[in-house]
Amino acid sequence: SQKIEQNSEALNIQEGKTATLTCNYTNYSPAYLQWYRQDPGRGPVFLLLIRENEKEKRKERLKVTFDTTLKQSLFHITASQPADSATYLCALDATDRDDKIIFGKGTRLHILP
Amino acid sequence: NAGVTQTPKFQVLKTGQSMTLQCAQDMNHEYMSWYRQDPGMGLRLIHYSVGAGITDQGEVPNGYNVSRSTTEDFPLRLLSAAPSQTSVYFCASSYSRGGQGSKTEAFFGQGTRLTVV
Repeated sequence: SQKIEQNSEALNIQEGKTATLTCNYTNYSPAYLQWYRQDPGRGPVFLLLIRENEKEKRKERLKVTFDTTLKQSLFHITASQPADSATYLCALDATDRDDKIIFGKGTRLHILP
Repeated sequence: NAGVTQTPKFQVLKTGQSMTLQCAQDMNHEYMSWYRQDPGMGLRLIHYSVGAGITDQGEVPNGYNVSRSTTEDFPLRLLSAAPSQTSVYFCASSYSRGGQGSKTEAFFGQGTRLTVV
């Protein structure tokens, strides 16, 4: 069956360090993968999109990698700040490349001052 | 530019009651979708639409109906509410040039917190 796994429910990182979140998938062949941030009581907010033919994407302190061989995406926040504390979700399109966008369960990131 | 607007923000229903969750977007997006979010379960896709007049089922469609008569609106109907439908519901929209991974970022509404007693 198809699965998306974000392998940490919660992650504690010291301020200033790099936070690395993982998204693994099985039985999918996504054309792209997205990362979102969600704060308590709010809807998810888009951060980055990476396509299957791209290895890496950057935006300010954020970096995403996409390895279609390993079926894995890594999301990095460098020089982390307490304001980066939130839940981060990965999302991708389904196996047959139809129009369903499926989300992982998310990782709660806590940046400790 | 309001983005994606969901109403109501909060709702309490009795078991068996029906209601419609409203979702409207003003970005002329073709693609719209409904998700429910439960603790430990993440966002699960209920129904989605790739354009006016076209809808399809997601991962957890049972107990919900949708329609898409206009590009802007995508209401979600609960015909006979059950306690298992207690959840936070999110509507999202994105620009789509049509299939095969051509969608871009999704914009989400603020959510509707629904409790069924």
